[in-house]
Amino acid sequence: NAGVTQTPKFRVLKTGQSMTLLCAQDMNHEYMYWYRQDPGMGLRLIHYSVGEGTTAKGEVPDGYNVSRLKKQNFLLGLESAAPSQTSVYFCASSLAVGHLMNTEAFFGQGTRLTVV
Amino acid sequence: DAKTTQPNSMESNEEEPVHLPCNHSTISGTDYIHWYRQLPSQGPEYVIHGLTSNVNNRMASLAIAEDRKSSTLILHRATLRDAAVYYCILRDEGLSNSGYALNFGKGTSLLVTP
Repeated sequence: NAGVTQTPKFRVLKTGQSMTLLCAQDMNHEYMYWYRQDPGMGLRLIHYSVGEGTTAKGEVPDGYNVSRLKKQNFLLGLESAAPSQTSVYFCASSLAVGHLMNTEAFFGQGTRLTVV
Repeated sequence: DAKTTQPNSMESNEEEPVHLPCNHSTISGTDYIHWYRQLPSQGPEYVIHGLTSNVNNRMASLAIAEDRKSSTLILHRATLRDAAVYYCILRDEGLSNSGYALNFGKGTSLLVTP
């Protein structure tokens, strides 16, 4: 059982380049989230999705877009990367609140992105 | 969102119990108390959660004050592998705000010494 898998694990971008981060979960979770974590800080929510085909903005959405065309995948896009987007990005997933089972969130191992 | 307050850092000796405090004086009736931890260079992982009653699992225990304005995560015997940042998070499960996303603060950095 792989859990939450993030691709790639590391990436260096030049300012203005674009890229897509992929998050895949194999637990049939309804909810998925993208966070960023800057040095010495907690995680901040970028975008989230409560189901296939739905996305919404979190705390720091500017400069990012997301898509959830399939339930198991949640993509985070940077259209024109900026140095301020240098960070570690974490994806997470969980069952829907109200589910009979535990709704703990499962996190990926992170993607370390550097924009130069 | 209701806020939590945790000490920036704590230190413990290996094989000693550790009590990590969290204050949440503005907690609402539908806020669950969640604890996650983040080991170095890894994503956060779930530790435990509760609503009103004390909770135990294989990783830790959660003691919740009677008025729910504070809680304590208890690691019964700290190991070197328990060195991590511990986050106390309130999750409002009565309101679909941000898809029930976890709102992380800075947490408590736990140092475990041999």
